[in-house]
Amino acid sequence: KAGVTQTPRYLIKTRGQQVTLSCSPISGHRSVSWYQQTPGQGLQFLFEYFSETQRNKGNFPGRFSGRQFSNSRSEMNVSTLELGDSALYLCASSLRVSSYNSPLHFGNGTRLTVT
Amino acid sequence: QQPVQSPQAVILREGEDAVINCSSSKALYSVHWYRQKHGEAPVFLMILLKGGEQKGHEKISASFNEKKQQSSLYLTASQLSYSGTYFCGANNDMRFGAGTRLTVKP
Repeated sequence: KAGVTQTPRYLIKTRGQQVTLSCSPISGHRSVSWYQQTPGQGLQFLFEYFSETQRNKGNFPGRFSGRQFSNSRSEMNVSTLELGDSALYLCASSLRVSSYNSPLHFGNGTRLTVT
Repeated sequence: QQPVQSPQAVILREGEDAVINCSSSKALYSVHWYRQKHGEAPVFLMILLKGGEQKGHEKISASFNEKKQQSSLYLTASQLSYSGTYFCGANNDMRFGAGTRLTVKP
């Protein structure tokens, strides 16, 4: 079974631009969640989607948004990029929403650098 | 509210034991543990559920204490491959603790 696929792997953008990241979950998984990881900050939860609906949201500004398509693939968008948005963005999929008893499977992430 | 992990970092020699703790300010009914090696994605280790059920696939043990709202991960006879950052997540909250960096030296 193919794992979680994130594209692109690396991205360099300029302040003020916007960016879209993509995540394809494991086949059959309907929940997709997004995390931001910066050195020393651990995994910061962005949001979770299940059946095309946002089910859970972290404490990030409105510049961060996402969506999920009917095939469970998800995209994350960051508008008006700031230097502090430079990070590794990880996507994770699971069988059930809010993974109470269902493991998260992470992709390898997209490394975003904002200059 | 994200769970609190301790210690923040630990350095071991091969063969030594370590314990990583994860505490929640809310009633605990499930805990997830993940390990992330440098430059790699986090990998699922195990889920502990209220009532004692444990789901995992590695030879790592853990405990779940509902009363103390705490879980502990036990790494015994550590190997070099155990090095990495360990994260815990509590209940159905998608938030993780800040992580515990474990370094195993030869």
